[in-house]
Amino acid sequence: GNSVTQMEGPVTLSEEAFLTINCTYTATGYPSLFWYVQYPGEGLQLLLKATKADDKGSNKGFEATYRKETTSFHLEKGSVQVSDSAVYFCALRGAAGNKLTFGGGTRVLVKP
Amino acid sequence: EAGVTQSPTHLIKTRGQQATLRCSPISGHTSVYWYQQALGLGLQFLLWYDEGEERNRGNFPPRFSGRQFPNYSSELNVNALELEDSALYLCASSLVTINTGELFFGEGSRLTVL
Repeated sequence: GNSVTQMEGPVTLSEEAFLTINCTYTATGYPSLFWYVQYPGEGLQLLLKATKADDKGSNKGFEATYRKETTSFHLEKGSVQVSDSAVYFCALRGAAGNKLTFGGGTRVLVKP
Repeated sequence: EAGVTQSPTHLIKTRGQQATLRCSPISGHTSVYWYQQALGLGLQFLLWYDEGEERNRGNFPPRFSGRQFPNYSSELNVNALELEDSALYLCASSLVTINTGELFFGEGSRLTVL
């Protein structure tokens, strides 16, 4: 079945540091890939998505590229802010079904 | 436009009782999904409803059940509550049933079982 593996946290950074969260997946067919973010006390919000190989999703300074050859969708941001402190989830939506399969989540804490 | 709304925000029950959680999808969305987010981080898929029918079910016991009403709102029922059912239950909806569309999430219902 489909699965998503992402790096465990917590990840602690200083403001303006570079952030990378690794995400790899296993899926049949051609899944769509997503990054969701959960700020403290809130529900999940879509951060970005990519629906086919080599697509790059971007939003709020975050980027991720759909790499089919390495089955990866790593999240990056060049200069994080305190307001980026949150839990980040990598997810896929498989071609054969419609539910989202999530990774375990990565907590990111950005210190001033 | 209103987002996905869930009620109640918080619910406290004791072991053996039943809990009912409710979800209203974004207007026009026909698919509703339920996820459990237990202590820690992980999101576990529970149920997917579309057009009133259960389309998929996660690896949960039968005491987790639900339904979708003609107006596409949904209800999650948990019978014979156990301590480990304590979690945040998230509902999501989507507009289309193709795999490129994102799910829109509510803020969740936090269930505490004592």
